[in-house]
Amino acid sequence: DVKVTQSSRYLVKRTGEKVFLECVQDMDHENMFWYRQDPGLGLRLIYFSYDVKMKEKGDIPEGYSVSREKKERFSLILESASTNQTSMYLCASRKDRAVSTDTQYFGPGTRLTVL
Amino acid sequence: AQSVAQPEDQVNVAEGNPLTVKCTYSVSGNPYLFWYVQYPNRGLQFLLKYITGDNLVKGSYGFEAEFNKSQTSFHLKKPSALVSDSALYFCAVRSGSNYKLTFGKGTLLTVNP
Repeated sequence: DVKVTQSSRYLVKRTGEKVFLECVQDMDHENMFWYRQDPGLGLRLIYFSYDVKMKEKGDIPEGYSVSREKKERFSLILESASTNQTSMYLCASRKDRAVSTDTQYFGPGTRLTVL
Repeated sequence: AQSVAQPEDQVNVAEGNPLTVKCTYSVSGNPYLFWYVQYPNRGLQFLLKYITGDNLVKGSYGFEAEFNKSQTSFHLKKPSALVSDSALYFCAVRSGSNYKLTFGKGTLLTVNP
């Protein structure tokens, strides 16, 4: 089974802090994703990486950046955390872009609170 | 652009009754449709997907979904609901050329004993 792990389940940070969220997958997947989940808004894509060092902006990239130096690891960075970034952050991976193999595997999520 | 609508924020059904969670979509080109489920305090899990072929797709835990091209719908169904089916359900869509999934806002299903 694919396993996607996230560095923290719960995180509390202060406004203005730099925040790192890390995600690791163990199935040699090419693609990795960062989403945020908010009540009533569903899942919204922040950033997508289709291979090492390759990234693309999702629907809500403002205030975030990402890093993918190794295939198994995808980091989300909040350069200067703000209260409106309080949310549940979900990481996901999938084998590649092909429709036939498009099954995303999600991590357990990190609930970030920015005070 | 692609989008998904889940018109019901909440669905309540009695255990043993059939359940339906509704989803409609909009996409350019052929649609590829997915259902994911999030159980309480757990991550999202893949349930089923429609790529091509038979309009009735069977998935995990006894769930199925029916693709209806004319109505642009992909409703999730189960003949007999279990209390353990209570969870948050997300519908998602992509096209062949768009590698990103667009998720709906989710429907909270509660199955009452």
